[in-house]
Amino acid sequence: QITLKESGPTLVRPTQTLTLTCTVSGFSLTTGGVGVGWIRQPPGKALEWLALIYWDDDKRYSPSLKNRLTITKDASKNQVVLTLTNMDPVDTATYFCAHRGGAGYFDYWGQGTLVTVSS
Amino acid sequence: QSVLTQPPSASGTPGQRVTISCSGGRSNIGAKTVNWYQQLPGTAPRLLIYTDTQRPSGVPDRFSGSKSGTSASLAISGLQSEDEADYYCAAWDDSLNGPVFGGGTKLTVL
Repeated sequence: QITLKESGPTLVRPTQTLTLTCTVSGFSLTTGGVGVGWIRQPPGKALEWLALIYWDDDKRYSPSLKNRLTITKDASKNQVVLTLTNMDPVDTATYFCAHRGGAGYFDYWGQGTLVTVSS
Repeated sequence: QSVLTQPPSASGTPGQRVTISCSGGRSNIGAKTVNWYQQLPGTAPRLLIYTDTQRPSGVPDRFSGSKSGTSASLAISGLQSEDEADYYCAAWDDSLNGPVFGGGTKLTVL
């Protein structure tokens, strides 16, 4: 049974760096074909893909946020970490991590974590 | 502004059939398969349709997907009150080298 769970701060100050952790179970981060992505959703708005990391450590980033994002994984801890620098109130959103099921779709999602950016 | 275009809202009465459209371009829907997600209020998205037409285990066959050219559609037949949710289309985009989502369609069951 595949599960994912996001963790991290609920409140971040403007200009700070956000670090979120996705802890997974039911699959290995090093199994061929596996990928974990991060997607966010501002309140009342649409889903926005942020980043994706594959089993072989290949990484993909949203072009609009590429210079602020870093995604890494620690297979020994079953964790995928996302950092987003220079946080702004417009980055207020629920952040989801999700398991890539193949061909670009996400078949299992975490519950999401709401991050508010405010001074 | 989302890369994929969906109508912001749709509605139907119980038992009706409704369709939700999703329009893209040659670098996404025109080149790659389309996926659909259902998001009930206050919950995480759930994969509803993948690879244009496939349903994951547990998704009722009332839900179906189709694609033609650079557009795709989600059809829901025998509409039920529990279908009231937001629906998102998505596809890999070769130009952006990542997945792109539609702006979402809020389905209301009248």
